Amino acid sequence: DIQMTQSPSTLSASVGDRVTITCRASQTISPWLAWHQQKPGKAPKVLIYKASNLESGVPSRFSGSGSGTEFTLTISGLQPDDFATYYCQHYDSFPYSFGQGTKLEIK
Amino acid sequence: EVQLVESGGGLVKPGGSLTLSCEASGFTFSFNTMHWVRQAPGKGLEWASAINRDGTFIVYAESLKGRFTISRDNARSSLFLQLNRLRAEDTAIYYCVSQNPNGSYDWGQGTRVTVSS
Repeated sequence: DIQMTQSPSTLSASVGDRVTITCRASQTISPWLAWHQQKPGKAPKVLIYKASNLESGVPSRFSGSGSGTEFTLTISGLQPDDFATYYCQHYDSFPYSFGQGTKLEIK
Repeated sequence: EVQLVESGGGLVKPGGSLTLSCEASGFTFSFNTMHWVRQAPGKGLEWASAINRDGTFIVYAESLKGRFTISRDNARSSLFLQLNRLRAEDTAIYYCVSQNPNGSYDWGQGTRVTVSS
C-alpha cells in the first residue's frame, strides 16, 4: 500500500503570507494526487486534482506542483478564509490513502 | 450543480447493522466511480471503499473487508454502504465522494454513525 506523509502537521501563518505544504508518497504516484481543504464541522472540498489542476471556482492563490513522489500545495497571499486543515490524497492505485493532514492556524 | 446527499446514519449498538445511502444529482451518475470516505471524531480522512461505474469492480480498505458492502443503483443515481458487525471504532462521519472522469472529486456533506451501547 502507498503511504502518504504530509508536513508540517501544523503551520502558523499570518494573513498575506505565502505558505507551502508538502506531501510525500512512499512510491511514485504521479500525477494522481489531490489536495482537499476541510473547515471545522464541514465536509472536505477538493482544491487541486492531478497534482496541479485547479478545481473550478477555487481561487488562483492556490496552486499545486510536484511529480513522482513529492508534491506541494502553495497558498500565495493567505486570506482569513484559508485557515483550515489540508489533506493530500493519492489515487494511483487502491487502496487510496490520505496524508495525516496539515492544520493551518492564524499566527 | 453537483449534489451528494447522504442519509441513514445514526446510533447503533456494537454488533449491529446500518445501511447508508447517497443520492446524487447534477451530473451523470453512471459515468463516475464512487467512494465512501470516513472520518472518526477528531481524526483524519480514511478512504473506505470504491465501486466503478457499472458496479463490476469493488474494493475495500483492508480493515473493512467482510463487514461492509458497497453497491450502487445507476437508475436511481444512488450509492449505498451496508455496515455489518459494527464496532466502536467504526464511529465516524461517512462521506459519499464522486470521482469525476477528469480526476477531480465532489464530496457530500456526510452522515454520522455512532456505535455505542
